[in-house]
Amino acid sequence: KAGVTQTPRYLIKTRGQQVTLSCSPISGHRSVSWYQQTPGQGLQFLFEYFSETQRNKGNFPGRFSGRQFSNSRSEMNVSTLELGDSALYLCASSLNSDPYEQYFGPGTRLTVT
Amino acid sequence: DQQVKQNSPSLSVQEGRISILNCDYTNSMFDYFLWYKKYPAEGPTFLISISSIKDKNEDGRFTVFLNKSAKHLSLHIVPSQPGDSAVYFCAAEQAGTALIFGKGTTLSVSS
Repeated sequence: KAGVTQTPRYLIKTRGQQVTLSCSPISGHRSVSWYQQTPGQGLQFLFEYFSETQRNKGNFPGRFSGRQFSNSRSEMNVSTLELGDSALYLCASSLNSDPYEQYFGPGTRLTVT
Repeated sequence: DQQVKQNSPSLSVQEGRISILNCDYTNSMFDYFLWYKKYPAEGPTFLISISSIKDKNEDGRFTVFLNKSAKHLSLHIVPSQPGDSAVYFCAAEQAGTALIFGKGTTLSVSS
């Protein structure tokens, strides 16, 4: 069974631009969560989608948004990029909405210049 | 306010010895705790978990201990191997909410 895939793996953007990251969960998984990892900050929860509905949201500004499609694939969008948005963005999927069954993708490394 | 804290950013251990990674939490409503391991350029991988109703869970070389009164958990790796060198994240869950992660501890096991 294929794991969680994220595209692109690496991305360089300029301040003020917007970016869209994609995540394909493990087949059959209905829950997708997004995390931001920065040096010294660990993994910070962005949001979780379950069956196309946002179930939980972390403490991030409205510039960060996401959605989930009927096939459970998910995208997250960051508008008006800031230098501080440079991070590794991780996607995790789970069968239901149980966080402890989460499987992570390799992440998308976003660099904002 | 950090609800899950890993106060040691790094830990160095010799191969064959015990590695002990610590984690403290503040929210007494957490009902599940997990440890994840992360290698560079890879996503975190689930390692071991423990329910708040237990005080110990063991899986091979890995054992997690939970002390609810102290709001403290620890991960023991015995014996440590060079392949265990990675970043270890402690995470906690309160039912219906998202996982909250600590900032991680980098474990280096030397041969």
